Amino acid sequence: QVQLVQSGAEVKKPGASVKVSCQTSGYTFTGHYMYWVRQAPGQGLEWMGWINPNSGGTKYAQRFQGRVTMTRDTSISTAYMELSSLRSDDTAVYYCVRTRTGLASTGIDYWGQGTLVTVSS
Amino acid sequence: QSVLTQPPSASGTPGQRVTISCSGSNSNIGSNTVNWYQQLPGTAPKLLIYSNNQRPSGVPDRFSGSKSGTSASLAISGLQSEDEADYCCAAWDDSLNGPVFGGGTKLTVL
Repeated sequence: QVQLVQSGAEVKKPGASVKVSCQTSGYTFTGHYMYWVRQAPGQGLEWMGWINPNSGGTKYAQRFQGRVTMTRDTSISTAYMELSSLRSDDTAVYYCVRTRTGLASTGIDYWGQGTLVTVSS
Repeated sequence: QSVLTQPPSASGTPGQRVTISCSGSNSNIGSNTVNWYQQLPGTAPKLLIYSNNQRPSGVPDRFSGSKSGTSASLAISGLQSEDEADYCCAAWDDSLNGPVFGGGTKLTVL
């Protein structure tokens, strides 16, 4: 079965960076795009960007440009999201999610369990 | 501020039919399909409806979706207590070249 297993919760100070991993199994890693989506406490979902695990190509949402880097390691079917210059309003649950097909535009079918990132001095 | 607009709350009694709306624009719902997600407290969202009105395997047929123009709706018939959750719509946005989401609707089963 398809599984996306994320790394554990993180506590970071303002200005630091965080790197979240997403280990996948049960499907062909390079056959589906991966998005990163976050959800601040009590808020809705926010798309941060996507990565094409096959080519490594990325597209970042404008508000995260310059602060986010999405990478992947196809040898271990794992994707990564690194967010730098953290601020208190980056406190959120971060999800890696898989697109339903090999196209970026078909939406999400499977979600990771989420990684809570807390930014606090 | 979410790109897609949903009512913040909805409610119904067991057995009732409830609908949740999702409003967007030509660049998202107007030109792409809509997905719906159910999020139980403290858990990751789960795909409920894809391509406007398709149910993944395992989702009861009490859940149905529809789309017209730049709006979409999720209907839940025969409401059950376990349906109490947050429901969120999503669609691809051609201007953003990425997905956009609704703010979520909290469904309460009275």
